[in-house]
Amino acid sequence: EVQLVESGGGLVQPGRSLRLSCTASGFTFGDYAMSWVRQAPGKGLEWVGFIRSKAYGGTTEYAASVKGRFTISRDDSKSIAYLQMNSLKTEDTAVYYCTRESGAVAGNPVYWGQGTLVTVSS
Amino acid sequence: EIVLTQSPATLSLSPGERATLSCRASQSVSSYLAWYQQKPGQAPRLLIYDASNRATGIPARFSGSGSGTDFTLTISSLEPEDFAVYYCQQRSNWPLMYTFGQGTKLEIK
Repeated sequence: EVQLVESGGGLVQPGRSLRLSCTASGFTFGDYAMSWVRQAPGKGLEWVGFIRSKAYGGTTEYAASVKGRFTISRDDSKSIAYLQMNSLKTEDTAVYYCTRESGAVAGNPVYWGQGTLVTVSS
Repeated sequence: EIVLTQSPATLSLSPGERATLSCRASQSVSSYLAWYQQKPGQAPRLLIYDASNRATGIPARFSGSGSGTDFTLTISSLEPEDFAVYYCQQRSNWPLMYTFGQGTKLEIK
C-alpha cells in the first residue's frame, strides 16, 4: 500500500524558513516523480512544484508564486522528499500535500499524503 | 498560463440523479486533463486522468470526456458518498506546470 506522510508543518513568522518532509512507503521511491500541492484555508488547490526521478535528472519545476523561495529535493536512500520554504509570506499559509506522480516524469498526482498545515503569522 | 474554469460553482442534486460537471481551459490542453474528488478534511483523490481514463479503484459511475478546451465529468447515478468538491487539473509540458480549476461543490438537494 502506497503511503505518504508529511511532517514539519507548524507556525512560523513571516520571512523565516521551514522544511517539510514527505516519508514514502509501499513503492520504489526512486522510480517516481514527486510533487507538492497546497491548499489555503477554505480555498482551492494550488500546485507548488515537482521533482523528477533521478533517472530523468532529478530536475525540478516550480509555480511562479514560489519560484526562487522554495526548493524541492529528494533522498532516494531514505524514501523522503523535501520542501524547503524560505522567505515565507502570510499568503503561504496552507495545508501542504505531498503527492506521488504516475511515473518518473510528468503525469498526474496519483497518491496524496494527509497534508501538513503551515501557518505563517507574526 | 492556462486557466481552468469550472462550472457550476455549486451543483445541488439528489442521490440517484445524474451529475454533469464542466471544466473549460483558456487554451488547448490536448487530453492532459484530470479530475479529483475532495471530501471535507481529506486529501484529494484522483478519479480520472488523461480526460477519460478512470484511476484504479474508481467506480464505473464516474466517467470523463472531452479534449482540447472543453471537458466533462459525469457521475451517472449519485451515491451519498459522492457529495464532495471536484477539481479539474491540467498539465502543461513546456514549461512543466500544473493548474487546477477553482472547484465545483456537489451538494445534496
